Amino acid sequence: KQEVTQIPAALSVPEGENLVLNCSFTDSAIYNLQWFRQDPGKGLTSLLLIQSSQREQTSGRLNASLDKSSGRSTLYIAASQPGDSATYLCAVDNSGGSNYKLTFGKGTLLTVNP
Amino acid sequence: DTGVSQDPRHKITKRGQNVTFRCDPISEHNRLYWYRQTLGQGPEFLTYFQNEAQLEKSRLLSDRFSAERPKGSFSTLEIQRTEQGDSAMYLCASSSITSGRAYEQYFGPGTRLTVT
Repeated sequence: KQEVTQIPAALSVPEGENLVLNCSFTDSAIYNLQWFRQDPGKGLTSLLLIQSSQREQTSGRLNASLDKSSGRSTLYIAASQPGDSATYLCAVDNSGGSNYKLTFGKGTLLTVNP
Repeated sequence: DTGVSQDPRHKITKRGQNVTFRCDPISEHNRLYWYRQTLGQGPEFLTYFQNEAQLEKSRLLSDRFSAERPKGSFSTLEIQRTEQGDSAMYLCASSSITSGRAYEQYFGPGTRLTVT
């Protein structure tokens, strides 16, 4: 059974700092990995999707990397801003590439202080 | 595209009552997913549809839960005889296998259920 772990559970940083969020998974036979953002009481917003054949994806100040063999992904946020404060969730698809079942971690609660 | 919408956004019900939630996916998305999220946890997969066919159900989906997607458009999730343990955020997502981003799921705002 796939298990996804996110470290740290919570992180507080001053504005402007660069930071890294970590995600690890136990079954390396994944097809995709997706990073989401969730604001309090709200749904999920997709940030980045990395297919298994890729090693990283970038969008603006966000960069996500994937190392399938070691079962790890990182989300790098450059020059953090107070608006980045949210819970960040990592999810993996190991359902045979059909992406019908994502397995999520518990998330990292990020607070960026002005 | 308008995003995934869910109705209602909040529902408070008494234990033993039945509730029904609705999800409208992004137009022409042929896949629709339901997840449940409890406080402090990540979402957990419940079920998914491709067009009108329900192709998988999680063991989390007890006999009290039923989901439908008539005509392959909107979907409903019904919970019968609600229990306090059903209190959670119910999230709907959709995706398209024909788009260039076939593997990406787009989530709605969720329906928060509180069972008293």
